Amino acid sequence: NAGVTQTPKFQVLKTGQSMTLQCAQDMNHNSMYWYRQDPGMGLRLIYYSASEGTTDKGEVPNGYNVSRLNKREFSLRLESAAPSQTSVYFCASSEARRFNSPLHFGNGTRLTVT
Amino acid sequence: AQSVTQLDSQVPVFEEAPVELRCNYSSSVSVYLFWYVQYPNQGLQLLLKYLSGSTLVKGINGFEAEFNKSQTSFHLRKPSVHISDTAEYFCAVSDQVQAGTALIFGKGTTLSVSS
Repeated sequence: NAGVTQTPKFQVLKTGQSMTLQCAQDMNHNSMYWYRQDPGMGLRLIYYSASEGTTDKGEVPNGYNVSRLNKREFSLRLESAAPSQTSVYFCASSEARRFNSPLHFGNGTRLTVT
Repeated sequence: AQSVTQLDSQVPVFEEAPVELRCNYSSSVSVYLFWYVQYPNQGLQLLLKYLSGSTLVKGINGFEAEFNKSQTSFHLRKPSVHISDTAEYFCAVSDQVQAGTALIFGKGTTLSVSS
């Protein structure tokens, strides 16, 4: 099983450029999430989708948009990248909407904005 | 609002020594508690979880954690560590009551095991 697959693995952008981070899961999970990880900050939730057709803001949503394309796929878009968005981005999924079920993480996308 | 504090950002230990990684949380309601591990250049993996019942929970790779409600703590322990345990460890909390609330992570503790 692939689990949670993120593409690309690495990306370098210039300030103002846009891009979409892709995420797909093959575990038939209902809920999907986007986190960013920064040194000394742990993981911070950007957006999540509790179920197909719904999305909600997390702790740090500014500068991002998301699309829950179907049950498998949840994309994260940066419309106009800024250096402050340099980070490692993780997509995750879980079986249940309530948070007693564990998260399954992808291997991350390392984004650098110059 | 919930929060998680991991009391040590870095913990260096020698191989075969015991280790404790400390985690405290704050919440006004009952919570679920988790420990995740992140090996270099990988995503996070679930180590163990406390949902209810016995306050001592056992996880993978010989780790265990004890939920202490009065002290609002969920410390992670291993009696004898291996070099392969070198990784970053994250404590996380979620709210049992409010459906749809997110998992809140601590800032992480880097465990470095040397020979």
